[in-house]
Amino acid sequence: AQKITQTQPGMFVQEKEAVTLDCTYDTSDPSYGLFWYKQPSSGEMIFLIYQGSYDQQNATEGRYSLNFQKARKSANLVISASQLGDSAMYFCAMRGLSSASKIIFGSGTRLSIRP
Amino acid sequence: KAGVTQTPRYLIKTRGQQVTLSCSPISGHRSVSWYQQTPGQGLQFLFEYFSETQRNKGNFPGRFSGRQFSNSRSEMNVSTLELGDSALYLCASSLGGLAGGDEQYFGPGTRLTVT
Repeated sequence: AQKITQTQPGMFVQEKEAVTLDCTYDTSDPSYGLFWYKQPSSGEMIFLIYQGSYDQQNATEGRYSLNFQKARKSANLVISASQLGDSAMYFCAMRGLSSASKIIFGSGTRLSIRP
Repeated sequence: KAGVTQTPRYLIKTRGQQVTLSCSPISGHRSVSWYQQTPGQGLQFLFEYFSETQRNKGNFPGRFSGRQFSNSRSEMNVSTLELGDSALYLCASSLGGLAGGDEQYFGPGTRLTVT
């Protein structure tokens, strides 16, 4: 069975500080992909970053980086130099790379950036 | 390039009625996935369609169904609506490849309220 766990329901961070959002996962798939999405109050889900299970390096996309520790089954999102516009819900998601697998999402972390 | 569009954006229905939601994917995307988002259950996968065929299915009752047309547009139908079906229904499209990060692009969602 596949499972995604996000243990931080809410976080407050000062503007310009870095923030780490935790995500742990469990899967029996030998190959899988990990995703992070941002959902502002408007409701639309915005893709942020992807990490493949066999990627040797941690993924980075601008101010976003994914701290992937395969042995620990964790895929934490790091946002550097946070901005007010980063305030949103953040979801970690996983999909096994086989046709029979489904995408599952964590429960999300609500990030609030303080000016 | 136009993004994913969903219609209608808001819908109010009565228990027992049925509803059809529509999703137009990004041009060239062959996979369309549907999700239900509620405060209590979070984001849950409903089903995925690829080239007019259902490729994956979540754990929802048979009242939830979908289809995909030859132009990749997709519809989902919920029959015999229940109060618990009130939710934000999100549609996401992707190229549909299983290797690597087949990132999904989400639409703005349809907010369904059942009274």
